[in-house]
Amino acid sequence: GENVEQHPSTLSVQEGDSAVIKCTYSDSASNYFPWYKQELGKGPQLIIDIRSNVGEKKDQRIAVTLNKTAKHFSLHITETQPEDSAVYFCAASMVFGAGTILRVKS
Amino acid sequence: EPEVTQTPSHQVTQMGQEVILRCVPISNHLYFYWYRQILGQKVEFLVSFYNNEISEKSEIFDDQFSVERPDGSNFTLKIRSTKLEDSAMYFCASSEDILMPASSYNSPLHFGNGTRLTVT
Repeated sequence: GENVEQHPSTLSVQEGDSAVIKCTYSDSASNYFPWYKQELGKGPQLIIDIRSNVGEKKDQRIAVTLNKTAKHFSLHITETQPEDSAVYFCAASMVFGAGTILRVKS
Repeated sequence: EPEVTQTPSHQVTQMGQEVILRCVPISNHLYFYWYRQILGQKVEFLVSFYNNEISEKSEIFDDQFSVERPDGSNFTLKIRSTKLEDSAMYFCASSEDILMPASSYNSPLHFGNGTRLTVT
């Protein structure tokens, strides 16, 4: 079955800096890669997704890149703000990575 | 915006008891899922459900677990004979299209806010 590895497990950045979270997956048949943000006491919420026919997708301060050959994909958040502090999960279809705790220090 | 609702928000039960966790998925969604998140750990897939039957299940989803769509709106997870290690957040999710590898129709999951299950 699919296995998703996510790094780093925690990430602290200064407000205004960029944050990058990386994931790898094992099943070459996977073709859908969503990213979810989970705030305290809530369920994961989709923030951006990418399909395998696209190498990069951007939505305001958030971008995702996908390298299907290497089976890895990354989330990039630019100009981080304190409200970006949360747990971020990558996924390959319905299998989640272990999560990254992002702390944005003001 | 339509949302997935889960009840109760917190359930406390004694070891060995049965619990039923309830979910109301988004009304026009056809695919339903249960996930589990042990405190501070990853979100683990349990089961997906479509057309009144299980589409996929993980190795976590053993005979202790069952799912049901008893009517047109509810989707339930039953845990028989609960164990201490069943203590976790249980999230229900729904999607417009099936979420599985190699599918051309993958669409995002919409999660509820979860039920915290505490087994004592």
